[in-house]
Amino acid sequence: KAGVTQTPRYLIKTRGQQVTLSCSPISGHRSVSWYQQTPGQGLQFLFEYFSETQRNKGNFPGRFSGRQFSNSRSEMNVSTLELGDSALYLCASSIRTGGNTEAFFGQGTRLTVV
Amino acid sequence: QKEVEQNSGPLSVPEGAIASLNCTYSDRGSQSFFWYRQYSGKSPELIMFIYSNGDKEDGRFTAQLNKASQYVSLLIRDSQPSDSATYLCAVNTPLYSFSGATNKLIFGTGTLLAVQP
Repeated sequence: KAGVTQTPRYLIKTRGQQVTLSCSPISGHRSVSWYQQTPGQGLQFLFEYFSETQRNKGNFPGRFSGRQFSNSRSEMNVSTLELGDSALYLCASSIRTGGNTEAFFGQGTRLTVV
Repeated sequence: QKEVEQNSGPLSVPEGAIASLNCTYSDRGSQSFFWYRQYSGKSPELIMFIYSNGDKEDGRFTAQLNKASQYVSLLIRDSQPSDSATYLCAVNTPLYSFSGATNKLIFGTGTLLAVQP
């Protein structure tokens, strides 16, 4: 059974550019959540999508957005990149939403903003 | 007060010993609790989850949950050098909005475990 697939694995962008990251969840999983991991802040929740609807959003500026497609694949977009957006972006896949459901992470996308 | 707190470590134990990792959380509405292992440069890997008070065992790992005291712990028996990693505690407090239920994991900052050969 294939795991969570994130593409690309590495990205280098310059300030002011925008970037789109992709996540394919485990087959049959309908919930996709995105997290940002930095050395200073640890793992921070960005947003969750379930059945193509954003169910929850973390405390991030509007430059961070996402969407989910009918096949449960998800993308997140960051516009007007800042140096502080350099981080590991992780996607987590769950079979359902709500409590008592396990989340499995992809390998992550390492974004460097220069 | 942080929502999920862990001792950052490093926690150093000799090979073969029991490693004990602890985590406290602030939201009494939290329902599900997870332990992830993260090797340097890699993504978090789910190793244990627990939803009810008490102990849950899986191989060398035991998760313990005490909702009244708002703490969850992870015991690793017969620790191996390959267990050396950062262990992240995560808590899910279900939220309900007009669009339905939602997942949101709140993570601790992680405890670095070093198992000495």
